[in-house]
Amino acid sequence: SQQGEEDPQALSIQEGENATMNCSYKTSINNLQWYRQNSGRGLVHLILIRSNEREKHSGRLRVTLDTSKKSSSLLITASRAADTASYFCVEVGGTSYGKLTFGQGTILTVHP
Amino acid sequence: SAVISQKPSRDICQRGTSLTIQCQVDSQVTMMFWYRQQPGQSLTLIATANQGSEATYESGFVIDKFPISRPNLTFSTLTVSNMSPEDSSIYLCSVQAGSETQYFGPGTRLLVL
Repeated sequence: SQQGEEDPQALSIQEGENATMNCSYKTSINNLQWYRQNSGRGLVHLILIRSNEREKHSGRLRVTLDTSKKSSSLLITASRAADTASYFCVEVGGTSYGKLTFGQGTILTVHP
Repeated sequence: SAVISQKPSRDICQRGTSLTIQCQVDSQVTMMFWYRQQPGQSLTLIATANQGSEATYESGFVIDKFPISRPNLTFSTLTVSNMSPEDSSIYLCSVQAGSETQYFGPGTRLLVL
């Protein structure tokens, strides 16, 4: 896999607001995945979007993928304090099965 | 999905000693991975733990420092040898269980004094 680059590095919002995080990548992908890490704990897989998909929803999460721009975005609607975490995108190509390369992530803080 | 547990969850160790971290999965998986997350940093892959053969290490990581065992399809250990304060990190194991998704353990938080 290749390293996705998240933007912004940090995001601070109020509860109830929407949070948008962006990810850019460099190579061709099979899929792109978003993970969440709460305060230095284990990672949780949030959503996977395949290269032939443009948008995907899961609960309050919406992910878009623009392969022409090599970019993806993660939107969290109606944020909650519990959404406070680091968010990582990981692009997965075809040659490095299972090996994930993480970028620095976006640190999201949701204030109650 | 896969449920992963790690032991210990945290430890404080003295310089020069070694610590073995265990990773247990609730189902048989082909691929298991070990990651390190240094303070304030992202995750870095240490190695892929292969069942029945030696682990495959990433650049910058060597077997003498991070020996790995994979005795069966549900278990792996990572040893951090001859520790120094620079080894203070969170160590995470993960598995790829059939799909393209990886599942992570809760991590082992290590502090070396």
